Amino acid sequence: DSGVTQTPKHLITATGQRVTLRCSPRSGDLSVYWYQQSLDQGLQFLIQYYNGEERAKGNILERFSAQQFPDLHSELNLSSLELGDSALYFCASSVWATRNEKLFFGSGTQLSVL
Amino acid sequence: TQLLEQSPQFLSIQEGENLTVYCNSSSVFSSLQWYRQEPGEGPVLLVTVVTGGEVKKLKRLTFQFGDARKDSSLHITAAQPGDTGLYLCAGYSGGSNYKLTFGKGTLLTVNP
Repeated sequence: DSGVTQTPKHLITATGQRVTLRCSPRSGDLSVYWYQQSLDQGLQFLIQYYNGEERAKGNILERFSAQQFPDLHSELNLSSLELGDSALYFCASSVWATRNEKLFFGSGTQLSVL
Repeated sequence: TQLLEQSPQFLSIQEGENLTVYCNSSSVFSSLQWYRQEPGEGPVLLVTVVTGGEVKKLKRLTFQFGDARKDSSLHITAAQPGDTGLYLCAGYSGGSNYKLTFGKGTLLTVNP
């Protein structure tokens, strides 16, 4: 158990819909990362937050947004969903936001867009 | 964009065999990490290598960081079925880039 909690574990929805994925980091970790994993693209970095503020941005679509709340949990919002958004979405956390951080991953949310 | 190429993509071996998987890039990384991911779970960090030429051992696993800090290898001795999983390398580049970039992984199956 990494200590990172992601909910829900599975999500099935239709194209055009909007969903919210939730992540609770390990106790004491200030940094939260979101990754998308698919068979063809592998693990793709989406976005990072540190202590409530956006720290780094990766290949995140404009239809996607995220935030980190004062209690340090984070939510990833996916809107106008397309079939191609079906993937595993992982949240990870680390203590700080330095260059050599060790990331602890949650078990992921499997999103299926039908 | 820094790319990490992992090879082989798939590897199926018998219990007791040795194996090496590779992680290569044209970019220099300030550090490289290796993770193992099992089905239905998130990646779990195995090791971080920071210094060019560094070798780290974790029981039957040996990790090496290339002298130029552009490549790394993972060697497993006497593989066991419990070693089955997706092995991912990931790297932080230099400068102010805080993004951890992952390779696509090597899917290892160790048959009893």
